Amino acid sequence: EVQLVESGGGSVQPGGSLRLSCAASGFSFSTYWMSWVRQAPGKGLEWVANIKQDGSEKYYVDSVKGRFTISRDNAKNSLYLQMNRLRAEDTAVYYCTRHLYGSHDYWGKGTLLTVSS
Amino acid sequence: QSALTQPPSASGSPGQSVTISCTGTSSDVGGYNYVSWYQQHPGKAPKLMIYEVTKRPSGVPDRFSGSKSGNTASLTVSGLQAEDEADYYCYSYAGSNNFVFGTGTKVTVL
Repeated sequence: EVQLVESGGGSVQPGGSLRLSCAASGFSFSTYWMSWVRQAPGKGLEWVANIKQDGSEKYYVDSVKGRFTISRDNAKNSLYLQMNRLRAEDTAVYYCTRHLYGSHDYWGKGTLLTVSS
Repeated sequence: QSALTQPPSASGSPGQSVTISCTGTSSDVGGYNYVSWYQQHPGKAPKLMIYEVTKRPSGVPDRFSGSKSGNTASLTVSGLQAEDEADYYCYSYAGSNNFVFGTGTKVTVL
């Protein structure tokens, strides 16, 4: 059974940093693109970032470029999102997803990030 | 990249059909066959319902179908059931390794 379990969310002040983690199991992690998708409270979904199987290609939505970094450790079956210079508008539930055929075929339950002073 | 346009709401009685549109441009929906649809119940993670415009993942009822014409993709739910009441989002490749979601549609079963 495919499982994606996010962790690392919490409350942080504007300008601060946080790293999200996603533990993957039940599939061959190293053979799939992976993604982060977020959802602000009461709002719609927003694609945040993708990373290729070997980590050699990474892509981001414009609003996080230069502030967020997606990475992975295939030996640990783990996906990460390092978030720096956080803003109030980054407040959201962050979902880890498996990306296949241009879609997100499996999702974690999400982890909540709150950016507030 | 602007969000794809979906109607805010749609509704139907049990057993009826409801169709949700997802309008983009020739740079996203119209330019690629990488359109997918997601169902999200309150407080839950989204679930993939349709990928590559028309394909259904294993386990998704055949009451759910997808299509595309020009810059508009559509999701049709036939034989509406109470458990289909949820938010639905479309998603498309937008070129240059960018992706975009739709604005979301709340489906109500009357």
